[in-house]
Amino acid sequence: SQQGEEDPQALSIQEGENATMNCSYKTSINNLQWYRQNSGRGLVHLILIRSNEREKHSGRLRVTLDTSKKSSSLLITASRAADTASYFCATAPSGYSTLTFGKGTMLLVSP
Amino acid sequence: KAGVTQTPRYLIKTRGQQVTLSCSPISGHRSVSWYQQTPGQGLQFLFEYFSETQRNKGNFPGRFSGRQFSNSRSEMNVSTLELGDSALYLCASSLTGASEQYFGPGTRLTVT
Repeated sequence: SQQGEEDPQALSIQEGENATMNCSYKTSINNLQWYRQNSGRGLVHLILIRSNEREKHSGRLRVTLDTSKKSSSLLITASRAADTASYFCATAPSGYSTLTFGKGTMLLVSP
Repeated sequence: KAGVTQTPRYLIKTRGQQVTLSCSPISGHRSVSWYQQTPGQGLQFLFEYFSETQRNKGNFPGRFSGRQFSNSRSEMNVSTLELGDSALYLCASSLTGASEQYFGPGTRLTVT
């Protein structure tokens, strides 16, 4: 079964608005990562947050991690049409050298 | 730095046949992971190779196998193909398996 579960499954917003996606996971982790996938292509790494970090920024992206609630959120500010994609969270469970992906959130940003 | 490459990009096979997919990781990356992506099941981990050794394996039948060569290039093989094997197969390389992964464009396999 999937370690991470994203919420919502789909999100539709207008350009300029902010988009927030959430991820919940089940076991203790070393790090949590967010990836983007454009329509059937390979995934692109966006940001990695370690288990001892609470918040991280990268450009228009802001990621938070709450290990007590086993959850993370990805905020994309001032969305653009080019942000339209599926977004996945991936967790690196403690003691494992692999990533486990959630099913993703489909984001549609309309001009 | 060249990215992860996968060949072939598209493949059509018939049930019962076998297929081999190839992945060339980013230079210096010793970990290569393979994933299967379908609309119904999402991204599922197949296996991870590190320095020519399979280090982790997902919950897939023995028809799915792989290997890694001394130059870190990896291949995966699926024998006795089934219709349900139709999927996008993604390869990712990383310095360690749990660090950020760099994905190839994928191989789209269609089984008829």
